[in-house]
Amino acid sequence: AQSVTQLGSHVSVSEGALVLLRCNYSSSVPPYLFWYVQYPNQGLQLLLKYTTGATLVKGINGFEAEFKKSETSFHLTKPSAHMSDAAEYFCAVNAGKSTFGDGTTLTVKP
Amino acid sequence: DAGVIQSPRHEVTEMGQEVTLRCKPISGHNSLFWYRQTMMRGLELLIYFNNNVPIDDSGMPEDRFSAKMPNASFSTLKIQPSEPRDSAVYFCASSPLAGGNTGELFFGEGSRLTVL
Repeated sequence: AQSVTQLGSHVSVSEGALVLLRCNYSSSVPPYLFWYVQYPNQGLQLLLKYTTGATLVKGINGFEAEFKKSETSFHLTKPSAHMSDAAEYFCAVNAGKSTFGDGTTLTVKP
Repeated sequence: DAGVIQSPRHEVTEMGQEVTLRCKPISGHNSLFWYRQTMMRGLELLIYFNNNVPIDDSGMPEDRFSAKMPNASFSTLKIQPSEPRDSAVYFCASSPLAGGNTGELFFGEGSRLTVL
């Protein structure tokens, strides 16, 4: 069995501030981990993924995430938020099939 | 390359009517997924296919829902009869299935269904 918990359904930051979206997972086997972004009225698109190897993963639009096995976490960060980052973000785990978290809505204030 | 294509993008229908949503996966992808997204329940997996064969339909809410994949390039999700609580955005996603598949999903833009 596998599950994903995203801490905080809503996160608000100021433009230029650090973005931190939290994700914890559980899986009985080593999982693949993903972050997806969903803009209004669009489908989900991949931001970044961890499969094997380097635990710090860089994705599109300046986002990165670090896989920490001991903490079963895969938090998403971006050093400086931009207005265009406002969207909903989903963490997902795949150990056979994908399970998604409930999503975190990111608001960026000017 | 064309992504996952869904139609219709928007559908408004009356309770009791039949609804058919369509999906064309990315060419070469062997896995296809149907998800439903609502404010209350988030993103729910309804059913998925590998090589056109349904593998897990445990997420299909009721017998009113059915899905088919007659060939590698087409799938349908049918609701008959539709009810207001079926109102949601339905997403189709595809994924390559082969050695090295990391489970990344490629989503369509969704079909927004409103049942009055």
